[in-house]
Amino acid sequence: DSGVTQTPKHLITATGQRVTLRCSPRSGDLSVYWYQQSLDQGLQFLIQYYNGEERAKGNILERFSAQQFPDLHSELNLSSLELGDSALYFCASSVAESYNEQFFGPGTRLTVL
Amino acid sequence: GQNIDQPTEMTATEGAIVQINCTYQTSGFNGLFWYQQHAGEAPTFLSYNVLDGLEEKGRFSSFLSRSKGYSYLLLKELQMKDSASYLCAVKISGNTPLVFGKGTRLSVIA
Repeated sequence: DSGVTQTPKHLITATGQRVTLRCSPRSGDLSVYWYQQSLDQGLQFLIQYYNGEERAKGNILERFSAQQFPDLHSELNLSSLELGDSALYFCASSVAESYNEQFFGPGTRLTVL
Repeated sequence: GQNIDQPTEMTATEGAIVQINCTYQTSGFNGLFWYQQHAGEAPTFLSYNVLDGLEEKGRFSSFLSRSKGYSYLLLKELQMKDSASYLCAVKISGNTPLVFGKGTRLSVIA
């Protein structure tokens, strides 16, 4: 158990819908990262927050957004969902702003029908 | 762009040694990570190399050659539970996200 929690574990929804994925980092970690992992792709970095502020942005679609709250938990919002958005979404956390060892949560498996 | 290459799949026998290679061409380099990921589970950290040479940690070792843009992960005394994907990731600079390769799926057979 990495200490990073994610909810829900599984999510099934329809095209065009909107969902919110939630992540709580390890106690004391200030950085939160979101990744998408599809069957044919490696881990694709989406976005990073550090202590409430956006720090880096990767291949995140405009339909996706995220935020980190004062208690350091983070939410990833996915809207106007498409079939291709079906994937595992991982959250990771680390102590510092820079990218040394990251601890990954168990992931949320999103299925868009 | 950033490019990280790993073999897609490998098979090895229980008790044997296997070497998983990773080559990278990136705009910068500030360290290389190996993660293990069992199917449907979260990646877990295995090793971090920033200087050339071999880092040993139990049955797992990782090697880095920065001049060649090359790393390998060596797994000794393979066990069935080592069947997993192994992800190579490069830290391009101090303040950029890790760039992951697509992973190598290792199957350990009896």
